[in-house]
Amino acid sequence: QVQLQESGPGLVKPSQTLSLTCSVSNGSFNDDENFWSWLRQSPGKGLEWIGFINYRGTTIFNPSLKSRISISLDPSKNQFFLRMTSMTAADTAVYYCATWGPNWTFDPWGQGTLVTVSS
Amino acid sequence: EMGLTQSPGTLSLSPGERATLSCRASQRASNSYLTWYQQKPAQAPRLLIYGTSRRATGVPARFSGSGSGTDFTLTISSLEPEDVAVYYCQYYGNSPPLTFGGGTRVEIK
Repeated sequence: QVQLQESGPGLVKPSQTLSLTCSVSNGSFNDDENFWSWLRQSPGKGLEWIGFINYRGTTIFNPSLKSRISISLDPSKNQFFLRMTSMTAADTAVYYCATWGPNWTFDPWGQGTLVTVSS
Repeated sequence: EMGLTQSPGTLSLSPGERATLSCRASQRASNSYLTWYQQKPAQAPRLLIYGTSRRATGVPARFSGSGSGTDFTLTISSLEPEDVAVYYCQYYGNSPPLTFGGGTRVEIK
């Protein structure tokens, strides 16, 4: 069973850049059917898809966030990364990584990491 | 642009009652791409139903999905205390590629 674990800073200052890492274990990182995904959930709010990447480096982003985000991967470490620029308080959220698979679903998910944007 | 509207916002039922959750799409949707997730308090979402009606591995039989076109339903046939959660529908389409509904909270009376 694939397992994912997010890591990164819990606190980011306004206007700074957020960098998060998702470590993948027990999975086929180079499986052509999978897209490695980032999502977020603002406090008390619903879910928002951020974007994803496959092992070939093909990325697809949420159009509403596209200008601020990049997603990359390091297959040698079974890790993929999120970089989000110009952070504001509105970006305070729990950030999840997840696998987007052949059934057009996110499964499984990491446990999530809370990122607070505050000075 | 595809939008998903879930109703009701909150559902409060007694154990053993039937729960019916609605997900309405703003455009005609393909059954293959409609998914339901369950998010229990302080947990990450969990895949529940995919392809409108297919239960994910380990999901109890009391959960079922149905629908077509613009109207989709998640049904819990007999509510258990452990079903307290927020339920989200999600659609994979073209614009934007991935959309979530706002969620329905299920509570136990």
